[in-house]
Amino acid sequence: AQSVTQLGSHVSVSEGALVLLRCNYSSSVPPYLFWYVQYPNQGLQLLLKYTSAATLVKGINGFEAEFKKSETSFHLTKPSAHMSDAAEYFCAVTPGNFNKFYFGSGTKLNVKP
Amino acid sequence: ETGVTQSPTHLIKTRGQQVTLRCSSQSGHNTVSWYQQALGQGPQFIFQYYREEENGRGNFPPRFSGLQFPNYSSELNVNALELDDSALYLCASSLGQGLGNEQFFGPGTRLTVL
Repeated sequence: AQSVTQLGSHVSVSEGALVLLRCNYSSSVPPYLFWYVQYPNQGLQLLLKYTSAATLVKGINGFEAEFKKSETSFHLTKPSAHMSDAAEYFCAVTPGNFNKFYFGSGTKLNVKP
Repeated sequence: ETGVTQSPTHLIKTRGQQVTLRCSSQSGHNTVSWYQQALGQGPQFIFQYYREEENGRGNFPPRFSGLQFPNYSSELNVNALELDDSALYLCASSLGQGLGNEQFFGPGTRLTVL
């Protein structure tokens, strides 16, 4: 069975601090993994995706994520938080046959001045 | 280039009624997926249409059905509405079969069932 678990429904960091949003997945076949961001009253926007190439994936707005097969993790990081990063972040997985798609429950990031 | 659009933006229905939600895909995209996002939760995959045929389905009952038209726009139909169907319904378009490609999301339709 496939699933996605995001640890921490709310994360709060100070502006300029490291952002770390956690995601663990389970998949019976090699997956593609994604991080999406959702701003209030808007649709989702792709930050980055892993497609079995490089394990360290760089995305937009300075975000990156590392695929760790041994830990079944795909955590999202950003070295220095900006106020504009405040939003909800979703990790997602599609198994290798690409006919299903699973989102995690989301993590709301708050950035304090 | 026009992005993904959805209509209506808001909708209020009563239990037992039927509803149709519409989605226009981004120019050049031939695949449309639909998601249900309940308040405070992540989106749940309903189904995907590729070149007018259903190409994958999540754990939703048959009263959730869809169509894709030759211009690749799509409809989501929900029959016999239940209170738990109240949610934000998101449409996403992409290029190519399957869910491994980047999906571009519309702003959603907020459905309230009373």
